[in-house]
Amino acid sequence: EVQLVESGGGIVQPGGSLRLSCEASGFTFRSFWMHWVRQAPGKGLVWVSRINSDGTSTNYADSVKGRFTISRDNAKSTLYLQMNSLRAEDTAVYYCVRDDNSGTLDSWGQGTLVTVSS
Amino acid sequence: DIQMTQSPSSLSASVGDRVTITCQASQDISNYLNWYQQKPGKAPNLLIFDASILETGVPSRFSASGSGTDFTFTISSLQPEDIATYYCHQYDNFPPSFGQGTKLDIK
Repeated sequence: EVQLVESGGGIVQPGGSLRLSCEASGFTFRSFWMHWVRQAPGKGLVWVSRINSDGTSTNYADSVKGRFTISRDNAKSTLYLQMNSLRAEDTAVYYCVRDDNSGTLDSWGQGTLVTVSS
Repeated sequence: DIQMTQSPSSLSASVGDRVTITCQASQDISNYLNWYQQKPGKAPNLLIFDASILETGVPSRFSASGSGTDFTFTISSLQPEDIATYYCHQYDNFPPSFGQGTKLDIK
């Protein structure tokens, strides 16, 4: 069974940093592209970032480009999202999501809440 | 960027009703469209991929169709456990994008 477990969320002041982690199990992590998708309170789903299976290619939404960095450690089956220069509008639940390698987001973690507030 | 427009944004129906949600893409996305169900407080769950293929384990009352720019998602007979928000998602063009969601509740 595919499992994705996010951690690292919390409350941070504007301008601060946070690193999210996502531990994967139940599948061969190194073989799959991975994404982060976020959802502000009461709002819809917004794609944030993706990384290819070996970590050599990354993409970002314009809203986070230059502030967020996605990475992965295939030896640890773990996905990361380093978030710097956080803004109030980054407040959201962040989901770690597996890509079936065709673009379909087929498995989602339970999410971790990031709150940016002074 | 491709814009995905879902309608309606909310819908109230009775148990047993046939429910239909539409999703329109701002440009041709072929069949690169998925549908997700999100129950309150939970993560989204993939129901349908490639516009019309039911994910394993998803009840057959769920179906979808379409290609190009116009897509339809249908629940043939609404059940109480179907109360959720439904999202379409295109993955034809970068960046991937979602519809704004359709919140479904019981009348």
